[in-house]
Amino acid sequence: AQTVTQSQPEMSVQEAETVTLSCTYDTSESDYYLFWYKQPPSRQMILVIRQEAYKQQNATENRFSVNFQKAAKSFSLKISDSQLGDAAMYFCAYRTALHHSNYQLIWGAGTKLIIKP
Amino acid sequence: DTEVTQTPKHLVMGMTNKKSLKCEQHMGHRAMYWYKQKAKKPPELMFVYSYEKLSINESVPSRFSPECPNSSLLNLHLHALQPEDSALYLCASSQEWGALSYNEQFFGPGTRLTVL
Repeated sequence: AQTVTQSQPEMSVQEAETVTLSCTYDTSESDYYLFWYKQPPSRQMILVIRQEAYKQQNATENRFSVNFQKAAKSFSLKISDSQLGDAAMYFCAYRTALHHSNYQLIWGAGTKLIIKP
Repeated sequence: DTEVTQTPKHLVMGMTNKKSLKCEQHMGHRAMYWYKQKAKKPPELMFVYSYEKLSINESVPSRFSPECPNSSLLNLHLHALQPEDSALYLCASSQEWGALSYNEQFFGPGTRLTVL
């Protein structure tokens, strides 16, 4: 069974600085998708960034980028130039890309990100 | 329109009440989901509908009854709930339930349910 681990329950960063949230996962599959979701205090879960396992290039979305290390089964999220609006719970999630399988998202426990003004 | 809407935003109910949660999307998605989320925890999958048919029931108690009247609408009927059922109930949708591409899930804002 696949598992996702977020070892940092809480992180804080000064506004405008850079922070990295860690995520590791365990799987025997070779093809899968990884996601970072953000859930601000207003509750709406929003997709931040996604990565396909077969793509070697790290995904980037504006100030958000990932460091995907497939061999190490690591998928960290880097937020550059942190803004007050980045304060939220961040969840890492895994989903299989194999057919005839269970396609549900496997979630990490989450990391609460605090932005200090 | 990339929005999933949920009503009501808040719901307080007694253990003998019957109530329903509603979810709607107009993105043409064929998979819809119900999640339960406790504070500071990740969402827990409850049900998955694919092409209006129930595909996944994660051993959810029968006091929760899902319904998918059409491809845009998803309901969750609640009856004889317990205080421990108090949580945020999230609805989500995706293009399909399957391995097709990212199939990212779009989430609604949730319904905050309190059972007294």
